[in-house]
Parts: sequence; C-alpha cells; structure tokens
Amino acid sequence: AQTVTQSQPEMSVQEAETVTLSCTYDTSESDYYLFWYKQPPSRQMILVIRQEAYKQQNATENRFSVNFQKAAKSFSLKISDSQLGDAAMYFCAPPRASGTYKYIFGTGTRLKVLA
Amino acid sequence: DTEVTQTPKHLVMGMTNKKSLKCEQHMGHRAMYWYKQKAKKPPELMFVYSYEKLSINESVPSRFSPECPNSSLLNLHLHALQPEDSALYLCASSQRGTSGSHGETQYFGPGTRLLVL
Repeated sequence: AQTVTQSQPEMSVQEAETVTLSCTYDTSESDYYLFWYKQPPSRQMILVIRQEAYKQQNATENRFSVNFQKAAKSFSLKISDSQLGDAAMYFCAPPRASGTYKYIFGTGTRLKVLA
Repeated sequence: DTEVTQTPKHLVMGMTNKKSLKCEQHMGHRAMYWYKQKAKKPPELMFVYSYEKLSINESVPSRFSPECPNSSLLNLHLHALQPEDSALYLCASSQRGTSGSHGETQYFGPGTRLLVL
C-alpha cells in the first residue's frame, strides 16, 4: 500500500535563506514517479517538481531541487533563496501502486517565509 | 492553455437542495479527478475518470454523483448533503489517463468552496 510521511507540519524560513522539507514514503515499485505540489493560500495547487526514480540525477527547477534517496525512500524538497511567494502548503505525493489510478498526498508542510 | 476551470467558486446549500459543481479542461487530457479537501488537510480522492469511464469511486456516499459527459467536462452532482460535507472540492486533470507507478502531473482547478447548512 502507498504510504507517505511529512514529519514537519510547519516550517519557517527567512527570506533569501534555504529550507528543506522532508518526505518519506513506502512502495514496492522499482520504477516510479514522485511529486511535490504547492498550494498557496486561497490559490490553485500546482506542481513544484517531479522526480523519476530511474534517474540518478536529482530533479531541479530553478530554485527548487530535490534530494532523492531511493534506498532510503526519502524525497526531500530544497527551496533556495526563499521568496515571500513561496509561502504555501507543500504536499508530497508518493508513487502510485501498480495498476491504480489513485493518487494520495502527504499531510503537508506549511511553509512561512519571514521578511 | 494549462487551465482547469471550476464553477461556481463558492456554493452555499441547504441539506435538501440539489446542486452541481462543474469542471472543464481544454488540454486534451484523458483523466479527470474529484478531490475533497478539508481545512489544513491534504486533498482526498473521491472519483477518477479515465477516458470518460469511472475508474475509481472511493466509497463516496451516494449523495455525491459524478458525471463525465465528455473528455473535457466533469460534473459533481450534489443531493441531500450533510454539514460535514462542507469543504473545498477540487477538480484535476492529467494527460494520459493511464494507471500505475508512472504517475502523471495533475493540473488542479481553483476549487469550489462548499458550505452545507
């Protein structure tokens, strides 16, 4: 069964600093995709970054990067040069199980960015 | 165009009312999803349509009735709801509509905030 843990309900970061949000998951799959989504207050949920498990290289998207540790089933999100607009709920989405259409999300980490 | 639209943005209804939520996408996506999100919680999947066929019904009460008239439209019909059904209802779509561990990026709409009195 898919399981996911986001152990940090809330985090704060100073503007321009770096913060890392953690996510661990469980899966029996060997080839899969992982996702981080961002949901700003009263705004749409959007994809932040995606990691394909078969790729050795950690995904990066501008100031966002992941630290993917496949053996440890860990998928943390690093935000560099934090900006006020990064304040949001961040949800980790673990691998889907084989044959299912179902996505689940972690419990989320609320990120506050301090000016 | 990477937009998923949802109407209405807000809805207040009584427990005896019948109402519908609408979702639309014009990205040619073949999968569409309904999620329910309570405050400070992650979205919880309710229904998945893949190629206009209902692929997942997460044991949602029958007072929620989904409908997918075509590949671009997804409706959620509401009848005899309870106050605990008050939540943000999110629609999402994804490109291929395939199952399995190679998940796809989901594109979310802004949601309909529902209040049941």
